[in-house]
Amino acid sequence: AQSVTQLDSQVPVFEEAPVELRCNYSSSVSVYLFWYVQYPNQGLQLLLKYLSGSTLVKGINGFEAEFNKSQTSFHLRKPSVHISDTAEYFCAVSAFNDYKLSFGAGTTVTVRA
Amino acid sequence: DGGITQSPKYLFRKEGQNVTLSCEQNLNHDAMYWYRQDPGQGLRLIYYSQIVNDFQKGDIAEGYSVSREKKESFPLTVTSAQKNPTAFYLCASSIDGQGVNQPQHFGDGTRLSIL
Repeated sequence: AQSVTQLDSQVPVFEEAPVELRCNYSSSVSVYLFWYVQYPNQGLQLLLKYLSGSTLVKGINGFEAEFNKSQTSFHLRKPSVHISDTAEYFCAVSAFNDYKLSFGAGTTVTVRA
Repeated sequence: DGGITQSPKYLFRKEGQNVTLSCEQNLNHDAMYWYRQDPGQGLRLIYYSQIVNDFQKGDIAEGYSVSREKKESFPLTVTSAQKNPTAFYLCASSIDGQGVNQPQHFGDGTRLSIL
């Protein structure tokens, strides 16, 4: 079974500052990794995914994440945030050829002017 | 535009009542999912369907039931046996149920509350 730990439940950040959201996972098999964003009272939208290949993955809205197999991490970064980035962010993992996504508890990002 | 439509957006349940949440997709996806979201707990899988007329229990299936009679539709019934149904319910779909064809696409959710 896979599990995900998001190390920060809340991250306040000023507009135009960088942000990093930390995600560690646990799995006995190879995995796929995902970051989703959820705006208030909406569903989840995929930001980026790691399936294989380059460990640096670029996503939508200027986000990127780096897969580190030795540290079992998949941290999300953005060099300069906007007010519109205020949302909840979820890290998720699935094993190869498995239907099930395991989600972290989420990180709430609040961007202040 | 293709997508997933969940209805209603808000739903209220009386004690002892069953309620059904609708989920329709026009993405031609084979696999569909139901999740429950509670504050600070992320998403937990209730039921999953890989193909029409087939579905499997997820991690928290007790008190819930589903059907998959059509590819496009995957309704979730919250029964009176679910003692703590207040939550945000999210429906999702993917091309099929294999990990390599993730990601899952999500609807905008239904918020269920107890009267």
